[in-house]
Amino acid sequence: AQSVTQLDSQVPVFEEAPVELRCNYSSSVSVYLFWYVQYPNQGLQLLLKYLSGSTLVKGINGFEAEFNKSQTSFHLRKPSVHISDTAEYFCAVSLGGSNYKLTFGKGTLLTVNP
Amino acid sequence: SQTIHQWPATLVQPVGSPLSLECTVEGTSNPNLYWYRQAAGRGLQLLFYSVGIGQISSEVPQNLSASRPQDRQFILSSKKLLLSDSGFYLCAWSKGQSTDTQYFGPGTRLTVL
Repeated sequence: AQSVTQLDSQVPVFEEAPVELRCNYSSSVSVYLFWYVQYPNQGLQLLLKYLSGSTLVKGINGFEAEFNKSQTSFHLRKPSVHISDTAEYFCAVSLGGSNYKLTFGKGTLLTVNP
Repeated sequence: SQTIHQWPATLVQPVGSPLSLECTVEGTSNPNLYWYRQAAGRGLQLLFYSVGIGQISSEVPQNLSASRPQDRQFILSSKKLLLSDSGFYLCAWSKGQSTDTQYFGPGTRLTVL
C-alpha cells in the first residue's frame, strides 16, 4: 500500500521569504502526485498535480513542485510567500489505473508572518 | 460549471443520536463521490467512495454508513453517534479516471457531545 509523509507539521515563515514544504511517498508502483491547499474552515483546492512528463510542475498562486523519483519526493515550493498563503497544505498520492483513491499526508500548516 | 454542496455546515449532536449529512453535485453526471473525515493533526481519512448509484465501498470499519440514492447525491449516516465521530467531514467528486482531480465541498463541522 502507498503512504505519504509530510515531514513538517508546521512551517512559519516571514512574508516575501521563500518556502519549501516537503513530501515523501512510498509505493512499489508508479503514482500520480497532488498538492492541495485548505484555507481555514473550507474544503480543499487543488494547487497542482504530477501525472507524467516534466518533473517540474507549476500550479496556481505561484506554487511549483518537483517530482524526484529516485528520492520518492514531491516537494512544494514558492519563491516569495504572501500573508494570504497562510493555510494547510496536503500532499496526496494516487496509484492510478482503476484505483480512484487518494492517500493524503497529515498536512503542513504554513503560517506567513508580516 | 460544476459545484458541490454540503449541508449542514455545522452540527452539534449528543452521543447516541442519529446523523445524516448530505452532499450534492451539480453540473456533471455519473461522478465518483467520496466522503472524507478530517481530524486535527491526522490529515484526511477516506471513509467511503462510490462509482455509481447504489455502489458504495467502505474504507474503514466504523459506525458510519453511506448511501447514494441518486446519481449526484451522497449521504453519510449513523444510527448512534460516538464522541470519536467528531470532526470535519468533506465530500468530494471526480470524473472516472484516477488522474482526475478531486473537487471538494465546503465541509461539515460535526461536534458530538
